[in-house]
Amino acid sequence: EPEVTQTPSHQVTQMGQEVILRCVPISNHLYFYWYRQILGQKVEFLVSFYNNEISEKSEIFDDQFSVERPDGSNFTLKIRSTKLEDSAMYFCARTMSSSYNEQFFGPGTRLTVL
Amino acid sequence: AQSVTQLGSHVSVSEGALVLLRCNYSSSVPPYLFWYVQYPNQGLQLLLKYTTGATLVKGINGFEAEFKKSETSFHLTKPSAHMSDAAEYFCAVGITAGNKLTFGGGTRVLVKP
Repeated sequence: EPEVTQTPSHQVTQMGQEVILRCVPISNHLYFYWYRQILGQKVEFLVSFYNNEISEKSEIFDDQFSVERPDGSNFTLKIRSTKLEDSAMYFCARTMSSSYNEQFFGPGTRLTVL
Repeated sequence: AQSVTQLGSHVSVSEGALVLLRCNYSSSVPPYLFWYVQYPNQGLQLLLKYTTGATLVKGINGFEAEFKKSETSFHLTKPSAHMSDAAEYFCAVGITAGNKLTFGGGTRVLVKP
């Protein structure tokens, strides 16, 4: 299956700083998603992105978060003014098919907020 | 809204024994169902999926799952556990193409020699 890469693999930041997490999917992917997994907890949906627009977002995805695809390839998640509780693994996912909901996940970025 | 419940946060099996991981879902419309596996410090890997058609689906690494609508279940099984099956397993549900996935809490599998 086509791969999704995520950078960086690990990001350490100070509370209150802004971070940008990047996902590099292959261009013919249809939907893109961000999920997060706080240590020891379930995987939680943040936002989905289709045709350069947000198609769905969760209650977690508040004004602190934003997504964009600035250059038509990279798909980014920006977290403004990070909080301690933002520490988690952040996964990018994508789907290629419009028929099913099969999502393929990237390896994740581990964000540590100090 | 859809939801997923995985019974048992931890399961311990002996090598060669049956692996059974339970998943029950709630959905107001016919669901798409998935099992993902997560090895330590890695991302989520798709094991298998149910969309339509045959209710018994086979996946990678010898795993299979059966969709039972009457029981709203999608339990994952493997006849004979291998040490390499030690990982965390997540059941997930989606309802339409492009829709988010809702995950269960995960079941961590320990395989004893």
